[in-house]
Amino acid sequence: DADVTQTPRNRITKTGKRIMLECSQTKGHDRMYWYRQDPGLGLQLIYYSFDVKDINKGEISDGYSVSRQAQAKFSLSLESAIPNQTALYFCATSDQRQGGYNEQFFGPGTRLTVL
Amino acid sequence: GQNIDQPTEMTATEGAIVQINCTYQTSGFNGLFWYQQHAGEAPTFLSYNVLDGLEEKGRFSSFLSRSKGYSYLLLKELQMKDSASYLCAVPSMDTGRRALTFGSGTRLQVQP
Repeated sequence: DADVTQTPRNRITKTGKRIMLECSQTKGHDRMYWYRQDPGLGLQLIYYSFDVKDINKGEISDGYSVSRQAQAKFSLSLESAIPNQTALYFCATSDQRQGGYNEQFFGPGTRLTVL
Repeated sequence: GQNIDQPTEMTATEGAIVQINCTYQTSGFNGLFWYQQHAGEAPTFLSYNVLDGLEEKGRFSSFLSRSKGYSYLLLKELQMKDSASYLCAVPSMDTGRRALTFGSGTRLQVQP
């Protein structure tokens, strides 16, 4: 079984709809992240969370919100979807290690299309 | 945020060696990561450099020069399955180094 799962894997929605993307992990990591990736581009950080009570905006948080329901679950919501939010969305996790920075483990991604 | 520069695309031949460069600008330093991403798939971790020098891991090696703000990923004995994008990333100053900033990636095409 995958350590980091995302649902749904694909979603087509219409402008103005509210949608939620879900991420679950069984790695026992405290840190979770949401990124979006546009074709041919790198990953842009939307939100990140270092524990259930710690939620932080990333570089492109406008139009998005998140919820950290438990250590293992981190959801991303688009309150009113718009076409330029069409992208590939990745959830990632990492462990907390003193004195260094840990690698991030990525989920398989959710391909979102907003018509 | 930081500036991270990588070439957009590279082409190489199966069995050859290719070097993918990454330059970055950041004050303070907490290491540099390389990830591999096949088209439509999740990025996977390749390497992490925090000290100057070359780290070798099988066919892949990664080099870092902190004074020059420069890293490269060296892929030897290229295989067709190495066709992918390669992303370098550094801790993000905008997040107090709590998250990563990624470059746009270098798309490598390996030809027969």
